[in-house]
Amino acid sequence: AQTVTQSQPEMSVQEAETVTLSCTYDTSENNYYLFWYKQPPSRQMILVIRQEAYKQQNATENRFSVNFQKAAKSFSLKISDSQLGDTAMYFCAFMRYNQGGKLIFGQGTELSVKP
Amino acid sequence: EADIYQTPRYLVIGTGKKITLECSQTMGHDKMYWYQQDPGMELHLIHYSYGVNSTEKGDLSSESTVSRIRTEHFPLTLESARPSHTSQYLCASSESGGVYEQYFGPGTRLTVT
Repeated sequence: AQTVTQSQPEMSVQEAETVTLSCTYDTSENNYYLFWYKQPPSRQMILVIRQEAYKQQNATENRFSVNFQKAAKSFSLKISDSQLGDTAMYFCAFMRYNQGGKLIFGQGTELSVKP
Repeated sequence: EADIYQTPRYLVIGTGKKITLECSQTMGHDKMYWYQQDPGMELHLIHYSYGVNSTEKGDLSSESTVSRIRTEHFPLTLESARPSHTSQYLCASSESGGVYEQYFGPGTRLTVT
């Protein structure tokens, strides 16, 4: 069975600085997808960034980028130039290839961006 | 924000009552999902559907049931609510084929007293 572990329950960062959230996963699969989702307080969860395991290049979306280390089964999220609106719960998630969209989530990291 | 809706947003109900949590999406997505999330914890998939008349149980065992009679509607029912059912329930949907983003609803926070 696949598992996803986020070892940082809470983190804080000053506005405009950079922060990295950690995620490790365990799987015997070779083809899969990894995601970071953001859940702001009292708002809907939204997708931040996605990585296909077969791609060696790390995904980037504006201020968000990942460091995908397939051999180490590590998938960290870097947020550059942190903004107050980045304050949220961040979930790392795993999906097996051809699993019909079934996501396995980590425990989440609560990020606070301080002015 | 995504066009996926859940009602009610908050529900406090007594033990033994039957409840239905509503989820609707206007995006025409074939795939729909129900997740259960305890406060500050990860989401666990409890039900999913690949289309009309298709429903499957997820990884986390749940006493709830679901139905999918229309593409846009995926309600979740608890026949007899218990305090152990207290949690947040999130509905999501996605397109079929490939790997598409799941769009989440705002959630229903259920408290069973």
